[in-house]
Amino acid sequence: EVQLQQSGPEVGRPGSSVKISCKASGYTFTDYVMNWVKQSPGQGLEWIGWIDPEYGSTDYAEKFKKKATLTADTSSSTAYIQLSSLTSEDTATYFCARAFITTVVPLFDYWGQGVMVTVSS
Amino acid sequence: DIQMTQSPASLSASLGETVTIECLASEDIYSNLAWYQQKPGKSPQLLIYYANSLNDGVPSRFSGSGSGTQYSLKINSLQSEDVSIYFCQQNYDSPPTFGGGTKLELK
Repeated sequence: EVQLQQSGPEVGRPGSSVKISCKASGYTFTDYVMNWVKQSPGQGLEWIGWIDPEYGSTDYAEKFKKKATLTADTSSSTAYIQLSSLTSEDTATYFCARAFITTVVPLFDYWGQGVMVTVSS
Repeated sequence: DIQMTQSPASLSASLGETVTIECLASEDIYSNLAWYQQKPGKSPQLLIYYANSLNDGVPSRFSGSGSGTQYSLKINSLQSEDVSIYFCQQNYDSPPTFGGGTKLELK
């Protein structure tokens, strides 16, 4: 059974950074691109970017190029997102989501449970 | 970026009813359209991809249709467990973009 287990809720001060993990199981981690999606409170969904765990290659939405850094550790089948220079705009739930393998532009067949990030002084 | 506009933003329907949710793309996305269901407090779940292909395990009362810029999700015989927010997403051009969501409630 495919599972994406994310780390727990985070509270960060304005200007600081947080790092969230997403541990994959039930499939070969390097066979699928991992994506990250942001959901602001009561709002819709925004794609942040993806990482190919096999090669370490990444792609980001323009809006998140200076905000997010995606990494992956193949030895533990874990993907990470680091969010830097936190502001109130970063308060949201962050999901990891596996890419459906047959598409060039991703759609998402499995999702983590989400991590709530709260930016507060 | 391709803009995705969903309507209605919210919808109230009775058990057993048929409901339809619409999604309009700002340009032709050639059926590269997915629908997701997000139950309260949960992560989104893929229902339909390529506009009309049902994902594994999704009940057959869900169906998708459309082409070009206009797409729709239909739920036949509404069940209580269908109370959710529904999102469309285009995967034709990067970045992938989502509609604003349709909140479905029971009347």
